[in-house]
Amino acid sequence: DAGVTQSPTHLIKTRGQQVTLRCSPKSGHDTVSWYQQALGQGPQFIFQYYEEEERQRGNFPDRFSGHQFPNYSSELNVNALLLGDSALYLCASSLAGRADETQYFGPGTRLLVL
Amino acid sequence: QKEVEQDPGPLSVPEGAIVSLNCTYSNSAFQYFMWYRQYSRKGPELLMYTYSSGNKEDGRFTAQVDKSSKYISLFIRDSQPSDSATYLCAIDGGSYIPTFGRGTSLIVHP
Repeated sequence: DAGVTQSPTHLIKTRGQQVTLRCSPKSGHDTVSWYQQALGQGPQFIFQYYEEEERQRGNFPDRFSGHQFPNYSSELNVNALLLGDSALYLCASSLAGRADETQYFGPGTRLLVL
Repeated sequence: QKEVEQDPGPLSVPEGAIVSLNCTYSNSAFQYFMWYRQYSRKGPELLMYTYSSGNKEDGRFTAQVDKSSKYISLFIRDSQPSDSATYLCAIDGGSYIPTFGRGTSLIVHP
């Protein structure tokens, strides 16, 4: 059973550029959440996608956007990159509506903005 | 005040020691409590999940929740060098979007 996969594993960009990160959820899961984890901090919730729509959103600017595809995979897009966007970006998948289910995380994409 | 407070450590213990990791939280509406383990440069891995006060045991790990004090703990018995990692507490109020602590770095030395 494949777990959550993310690509790429590492990425280097310069300020002002745009980036797209990708995530495939764990088999059987239909909900994808994205988190940003700065060095030495816990993951911070960006947004969650279910049925191809953004269902919840954390306190992140509109430069952060996403998409979910019919096969439940998801993309995170960040425009106009800032130095402060350097972080580990984590994707987590879950099964909607299950109170006893929690989220399973992928290995993350480490983004460095120069 | 942050919603979830966790001492970043590092906490250094000898192999075989009992480890106690703790978090406090401020919102009494939180009902689901989780502990994740995160190795360096990896994603978090779910260790324990509970939704009630009291203890839950799984092998060498015991999660403890005290809702009256808004305090949760993770105990690791017979700690091993392979337990060296960052331990994140996460708490959810029912939205399925957990709020994480900043993590405690644990070092178990042989």
